[in-house]
Amino acid sequence: KQEVTQIPAALSVPEGENLVLNCSFTDSAIYNLQWFRQDPGKGLTSLLLIQSSQREQTSGRLNASLDKSSGRSTLYIAASQPGDSATYLCAVPSSGNTGKLIFGQGTTLQVKP
Amino acid sequence: EPEVTQTPSHQVTQMGQEVILRCVPISNHLYFYWYRQILGQKVEFLVSFYNNEISEKSEIFDDQFSVERPDGSNFTLKIRSTKLEDSAMYFCASRKYRGEGNTEAFFGQGTRLTVV
Repeated sequence: KQEVTQIPAALSVPEGENLVLNCSFTDSAIYNLQWFRQDPGKGLTSLLLIQSSQREQTSGRLNASLDKSSGRSTLYIAASQPGDSATYLCAVPSSGNTGKLIFGQGTTLQVKP
Repeated sequence: EPEVTQTPSHQVTQMGQEVILRCVPISNHLYFYWYRQILGQKVEFLVSFYNNEISEKSEIFDDQFSVERPDGSNFTLKIRSTKLEDSAMYFCASRKYRGEGNTEAFFGQGTRLTVV
């Protein structure tokens, strides 16, 4: 049964810092991994989808990496801004054929001005 | 940019009442999902729907829950007799494909259901 874990649970950094969020999963037989952003009380905004054949995917100041063999993904945020404050979730498709996602608990990021 | 739309954004209902949560998935998507997130907990899968039938459901999705795609655009989640523990944020999601390839899932803004 696929399980997804994210560490740390919470992170507070000063503005301008580069930071790394971690995601690990127990079943490496995945075909992609998706990172989401969730603002308090709001929906899930897709940030990046990284395919199993890719090692990295970039969007603006965000860079996601994927190491299937070790069951890990990282989300790198460069030059953090207060507007980056949110909860970041990673999710992987389950082993079944329906495309359902298994989510981590999330990392809540606070970027202080 | 196409988006998944959910209504209402917030619904308060009395225990035992029926509620219907509504979603309009992205128009050319084929796979539809409902998830829920109890406050402070993980987002958890409820049900997936493809080709006008349920393709998978979780243990949470018992006989009190049902889904329907009554026309070509709407996708609904019905809870027949709400319980206090049904209070959560409910998310609708859709994707164009599943499996290999670019199968990004898009989520709506959620419906916050409060059962009193």
